[in-house]
Amino acid sequence: QEQLVQSGAEVKKAGASVKVSCKASGYTFTGYYMHWVRQAPGQGLKWMGWINPNSGGTNFARNFQGRVTMTRDTSISTAYMELSRLTSDDTAIYYCATAGDVVAAMDIWGQGTTVTVSS
Amino acid sequence: QSVLTQPPSVSGAPGQRVTISCTGSSSNIGAGYDVHWYQHLPGTAPKLLIYANSNRPSGVPDRFSGSKSGTSASLAITGLQTEDEADYYCQSYDTSLSGSVFGGGTKLTVL
Repeated sequence: QEQLVQSGAEVKKAGASVKVSCKASGYTFTGYYMHWVRQAPGQGLKWMGWINPNSGGTNFARNFQGRVTMTRDTSISTAYMELSRLTSDDTAIYYCATAGDVVAAMDIWGQGTTVTVSS
Repeated sequence: QSVLTQPPSVSGAPGQRVTISCTGSSSNIGAGYDVHWYQHLPGTAPKLLIYANSNRPSGVPDRFSGSKSGTSASLAITGLQTEDEADYYCQSYDTSLSGSVFGGGTKLTVL
């Protein structure tokens, strides 16, 4: 059974960085893109970017370029999303989700990781 | 402001039919990119409802259907049930942004 399990909730100070992990199981980790999507309180879903777990190639939404890093460790089928220079606007639930390619639907989602940024 | 425009809310009585629109442009839906739909219940992960405009993943009831025409797409839900009350999002690819985009989301209320 395909599954994505994310790391636990985080509380960070403004200006700090946060790194969220997403462990895949039940499918070939390197065969599918991993997207990251977030939802701030009271707002909709916002796409942040993707990583190709096979090549390590990445593509980020313009709003996050320069602040986000996406990496992976294929030996443990885990993807990571690190966001730096946090502000209160980064308080959100962060999701990882797999897709067959960059334009395909995101069919498996992680349970979400709540990141709270305090000043 | 989202690149894909959805109505903020729709409502219907149990058993009725509702539709949710998703309006894009020539750089996303109009460029031929597929539209996908997700159902999102508070406190849970989004769930894929419709992929590639009109296809249902295994396990999604046939009460849910999708269509696409020109620069827009629609999600239809027939035989509304109370458990359908959720937020619904469309998603596509935008060539000018070189990435995925979501609609702003539509809150469905079952009266």
